[in-house]
Amino acid sequence: QVQLVQSGAEVKKPGASVKVSCKASGYTLSNYDIHWVRQATGQGLEWMGVMNPSSGDTVYAQKFQGRVSMTRDTSINTAYMELNSLRSEDTAIYFCARGPRGWDIEEYWGQGTLVTVSS
Amino acid sequence: DIQMTQSPSSLSAFVGDRVTITCRASQGVENKVGWFQQKPGEAPKRLIYVASNLQSGVPSRFSGSGSGTEFTLTISSLQPEDSASYYCLQHSSFPRTFGQGTKVEIK
Repeated sequence: QVQLVQSGAEVKKPGASVKVSCKASGYTLSNYDIHWVRQATGQGLEWMGVMNPSSGDTVYAQKFQGRVSMTRDTSINTAYMELNSLRSEDTAIYFCARGPRGWDIEEYWGQGTLVTVSS
Repeated sequence: DIQMTQSPSSLSAFVGDRVTITCRASQGVENKVGWFQQKPGEAPKRLIYVASNLQSGVPSRFSGSGSGTEFTLTISSLQPEDSASYYCLQHSSFPRTFGQGTKVEIK
């Protein structure tokens, strides 16, 4: 069955970087897009961007341009999201989710990774 | 960017009530809207795709409708397990955008 399993919680200091992984199983990573969505505590869902794991092409929300990088390692069926220059407002749960190429987000989501930014 | 304005932000209803949540897009998105349910501590779960298609395994009391700029999610008979937050998502253009969410509580 299709699963997306994310890496564990992280605590980072302001100005640092965090890299969250999303390991796909039950299908070939390259065949579907991977979206990243975050959710601050008590807040709504915020779309960060999407990656085509086959080509490596990405589209980022303008808010994160220059600070986010979405990559993949197809040999281990894993996608990554790296966010740089962290600030306290980046404290949130980060989700990866699968979607058909250039289309919507499906029912397959990772379990979420809590990233806490605190001095 | 396309704004998805979702209303109401919260509602409280009795078991058995009919509940309707609306999303209005700032510009036409055809039928490229999905609806998600999220319970505390869980990842979102897709209920509806392409405006009106019921996700496999989702109870038939959930339905979606709309096209263009106005979309609705309806729960025909509210159940205790439907207590959750609900979000619409447009996938007509980048960036993808979610509505602000609707928190549904059971009276």
